[in-house]
Amino acid sequence: QPALTQPASVSGSPGQSITISCSGTSSDIGGYNYVSWYQRQPGKAPKLILSHISNRPSGVSSRFSGSKSGNTASLTISGLQADDEADYYCSSYTSSASYVFGSGTTVTVL
Amino acid sequence: QVQLQESGPGLVKPSGTLSLSCAVSGDSISAYWWSWVRQPPGEGLEWIGEISHSGSSNYNPSLRSRVSVSIDNFKNLFFLTVNSVTAADTAIYYCAGGNFWTWNHWGLGTLVTVSS
Repeated sequence: QPALTQPASVSGSPGQSITISCSGTSSDIGGYNYVSWYQRQPGKAPKLILSHISNRPSGVSSRFSGSKSGNTASLTISGLQADDEADYYCSSYTSSASYVFGSGTTVTVL
Repeated sequence: QVQLQESGPGLVKPSGTLSLSCAVSGDSISAYWWSWVRQPPGEGLEWIGEISHSGSSNYNPSLRSRVSVSIDNFKNLFFLTVNSVTAADTAIYYCAGGNFWTWNHWGLGTLVTVSS
């Protein structure tokens, strides 16, 4: 199953907002609301930042928000901070009773 | 606080079998579904498969013929086996756990290299 499509990199200045897109098909993102986003920083375990499109786990900053339209999900980081520099991955449940990840996006704070 | 720790050989020979275990601490292994995820060098994450405490499992269709996930509820461990490995199986392997189609808990990952 091909990976969900994400931009390879996104950058922004401190305080700005950035949005990362995650494009799939009707067999994954379009067919379910089971889209999650994960943050991976060097030397750390991946961290769940959003589940079910837009639900933030306890302890995750409200600066992270999510949405979905059709076969595309999006993660928005507002008030960009230096600590937000990381790789971000989306994931979705699929019609094959499996999961697929996005290709990953590197966020750089300028 | 759930903690996960992967362990296993860091080097596996081509055509051999890759075997990893994940130790779960901080909560009962029956509380979550457990997955394996890998990341080849320079590539993105790939979901491998999952298992519940009752032994129900699901696999990535592209890997189904070569992988198996198992669980030992009494020892709070779950396992990954990948058969007939090639260089393409070289990756950092993560164990992860969660419910409701998401993973709240992750290990730090372990690098497995396939090479003679």
